[in-house]
Amino acid sequence: SAVISQKPSRDICQRGTSLTIQCQVDSQVTMMFWYRQQPGQSLTLIATANQGSEATYESGFVIDKFPISRPNLTFSTLTVSNMSPEDSSIYLCSVVVQGIYNEQFFGPGTRLTVL
Amino acid sequence: EDKVVQSPLSLVVHEGDTVTLNCSYEVTNFRSLLWYKQEKKAPTFLFMLTSSGIEKKSGRLSSILDKKELSSILNITATQTGDSAIYLCAVAPGAGSYQLTFGKGTKLSVIP
Repeated sequence: SAVISQKPSRDICQRGTSLTIQCQVDSQVTMMFWYRQQPGQSLTLIATANQGSEATYESGFVIDKFPISRPNLTFSTLTVSNMSPEDSSIYLCSVVVQGIYNEQFFGPGTRLTVL
Repeated sequence: EDKVVQSPLSLVVHEGDTVTLNCSYEVTNFRSLLWYKQEKKAPTFLFMLTSSGIEKKSGRLSSILDKKELSSILNITATQTGDSAIYLCAVAPGAGSYQLTFGKGTKLSVIP
């Protein structure tokens, strides 16, 4: 498995501001993802964080709103830009531990509330 | 569009009961099905299933995949209050892709 930490664990932000969420893994991983879980909903993939190149975004998510950095194989950031109350969610990073089973593990999550 | 459907959406049982949670899927490419337990924020990995008919077991939890029926079940025996959580089912697509498609989850509440 992998030990994943996220910062901050929670935040309350004002409309129109931006928040950057950090994800740190205790080992080098190739595959790292960012998910969103809106209240009462399941997890939705935002993007794949690619090391050394631009992130790959899923339909409905754009770089201007959710810029992602991946400077190395153990760290990534997700920024939620120009926030609105609709961005209130739990944001989770996940990694794939490559091996026989390629299991995917999640970080502890960041609970974001936008007022 | 890939789809994962879980049932029931919520369930309330008494301690000691046995529960069965269901997951069905319709996906273009299938590699594996995963079960997670979500108590607060982070989903905790439970099982990964790739082969039909082979039960995976961990303590009081067990799970099995039926590729013919495109479904899986998660069983919890002798439930405890600590089992109260949302149980998420996710499907991983074919080779070369790791993006998971999640169901909405089953919220299990175990009361003393």
